[in-house]
Formats: sequence, structure tokens, C-alpha cells
Amino acid sequence: AQSVAQPEDQVNVAEGNPLTVKCTYSVSGNPYLFWYVQYPNRGLQFLLKYITGDNLVKGSYGFEAEFNKSQTSFHLKKPSALVSDSALYFCAVRGEVSGTYKYIFGTGTRLKVLA
Amino acid sequence: EAGVAQSPRYKIIEKRQSVAFWCNPISGHATLYWYQQILGQGPKLLIQFQNNGVVDDSQLPKDRFSAERLKGVDSTLKIQPAKLEDSAVYLCASSFSGLHNEQFFGPGTRLTVL
Repeated sequence: AQSVAQPEDQVNVAEGNPLTVKCTYSVSGNPYLFWYVQYPNRGLQFLLKYITGDNLVKGSYGFEAEFNKSQTSFHLKKPSALVSDSALYFCAVRGEVSGTYKYIFGTGTRLKVLA
Repeated sequence: EAGVAQSPRYKIIEKRQSVAFWCNPISGHATLYWYQQILGQGPKLLIQFQNNGVVDDSQLPKDRFSAERLKGVDSTLKIQPAKLEDSAVYLCASSFSGLHNEQFFGPGTRLTVL
């Protein structure tokens, strides 16, 4: 069955330090992987995606993500965190389930960047 | 470029009442999605339209939820009758056709069922 796991409910990091938000997935066939961010009282915003090609994907606001096929992971990273990065982050995967491409979101990881 | 519009932003109803949400996607986006996001959880896809046809409604509780996109543009999601467990944020999103395209989300409608 297709699934997405975000093992950490919350990640705390000091401003200026690198951050990682973890995501693992299970899908048959080749996955399409996405990261979205949700700021308070606002809708989800697209950050970046992996479709094919280079395993390191760069996105908005200085974020990047690394696709690792052997570990079935797609971790979100940023070299230097900002307080304004504090938000709720969702990993999503799109893969084939019973002949239909399903879109499944993880449960979310709350990132808190401390000044 | 105008984003995805949703209304109302907030709605409070009593159980067994009915409610409807409206969504206007980004111009040119053929695919439209409705999600339910319960507090503390990720969005759960309720229904996906491609133009005015339903692509996936496998997680839509069809005994009480219905959705339509008659002209292939804006869409309405209805709940009738509402239950307490329907309290959630209802998100509408749209995208260009294609499996790899990202979705653009509206601000959501927060529904409280008393």
C-alpha cells in the first residue's frame, strides 16, 4: 500500500543552524515526491518536488531535498535556518494504486526555529 | 496571478444541518482537488476532478458528502447531514493536468460542527 511517514511531530533548531525534516515513503513504481509548507492561518504552499533526474532538488526559500531511492526517503533540508521558517511541513507522494495515481500526504512536522 | 479562492472562510453549524463550500481554481487548471484536514493530521483527499469529470472519490463518504464541478471551473462540496466528526478544515487545490504537477491550495474553510 502507498504511504508516507514523517517520523517527527516537531523539530527544533537554532537560527543559523542547518535543519532536516525527515520523510520516508512506500509506493509501487516510480514516485513523484513533494514538499509543502503551511504557515498559520494560511493554505499549503508548494516548496519543491522530485520527478526524475538529479537526486538533489532545490526549491523555494533556500530549501532543498535529497531523494534516496535505496532508503525510500526524501528529506527536506536547509543549510541555515531562519526564524521565519517556523511552520508546518508536509511531505506528499503521488504513486500508482490500483491503476489510479493517488496523492497522499504525511501527517506533518512542525518546525520551530529558535532565535 | 490570482490564487485559489474559497468561501466561506469559517462556518459553524449544528449536527444534522447541511453546509456547502465553494472553490474557484486558478484559471487554466484542469485538475481540482478537495481535501479534509483534521487538526493534527495531514490533508486527506476527498475527491479529484479532471475538468468536470471525477477521477478519484474513493475516500469521499458518499452517504453524506457530495461534490460537483459542472462547468469544469468552480466547484462545490456539500455535507448533508453534518456530524461532529466532520469538524475540520476543507481545502481546495488546483493544478495543471499531469501527474508531476504541484498543487496550489486555497486558504481553506474551517468547519465547526456543534
